[in-house]
Amino acid sequence: DGGITQSPKYLFRKEGQNVTLSCEQNLNHDAMYWYRQDPGQGLRLIYYSQIVNDFQKGDIAEGYSVSREKKESFPLTVTSAQKNPTAFYLCASSTQGHLQETQYFGPGTRLLVL
Amino acid sequence: KNQVEQSPQSLIILEGKNCTLQCNYTVSPFSNLRWYKQDTGRGPVSLTIMTFSENTKSNGRYTATLDADTKQSSLHITASQLSDSASYICVVKISGGYNKLIFGAGTRLAVHP
Repeated sequence: DGGITQSPKYLFRKEGQNVTLSCEQNLNHDAMYWYRQDPGQGLRLIYYSQIVNDFQKGDIAEGYSVSREKKESFPLTVTSAQKNPTAFYLCASSTQGHLQETQYFGPGTRLLVL
Repeated sequence: KNQVEQSPQSLIILEGKNCTLQCNYTVSPFSNLRWYKQDTGRGPVSLTIMTFSENTKSNGRYTATLDADTKQSSLHITASQLSDSASYICVVKISGGYNKLIFGAGTRLAVHP
């Protein structure tokens, strides 16, 4: 069953705690992305990676960190520096270099602050 | 500023009826425009994609139009079904560089029996 998986589905964070969201894909895509979705707003890009061992900041990278050690995996860490982390987090992946490349999204992780 | 605006914010229709969702964008340089469907608590799923030269694209009961001159797109849903209840997101890709997408806030559609 090919696709993108995210875990956990729900995640609770305490004050001052770092938490890591998992994203795995078996689509053999080179590029992977992390977005944040807040009510009434469009998705906003946090980080993206076009190739293994390389990643770039998106529009709202402050308070987040990522790694891309394997092609299949792109975990996102929400650090204690992110003061308003409550949101729905979506991971996506796509092929590279194709004019009409489509981003395929995972099922999302909802992060809540205790 | 690159922006994608969608209207209405929310819409309620009866099962079997048609509806049209609107998208206006100010994105440059333009590469393509996509419509995604997002069920509650799930990730978005691509419905259609249109480039500059295409003005209509269909996917079953979904028909998207694009007017590149006025920078407007619409998504028409025919003979709505209860399963069409979802958010519909208009997304514009910026030409060049990496796969940079500008997302609209979405239209939340509720189909009632």
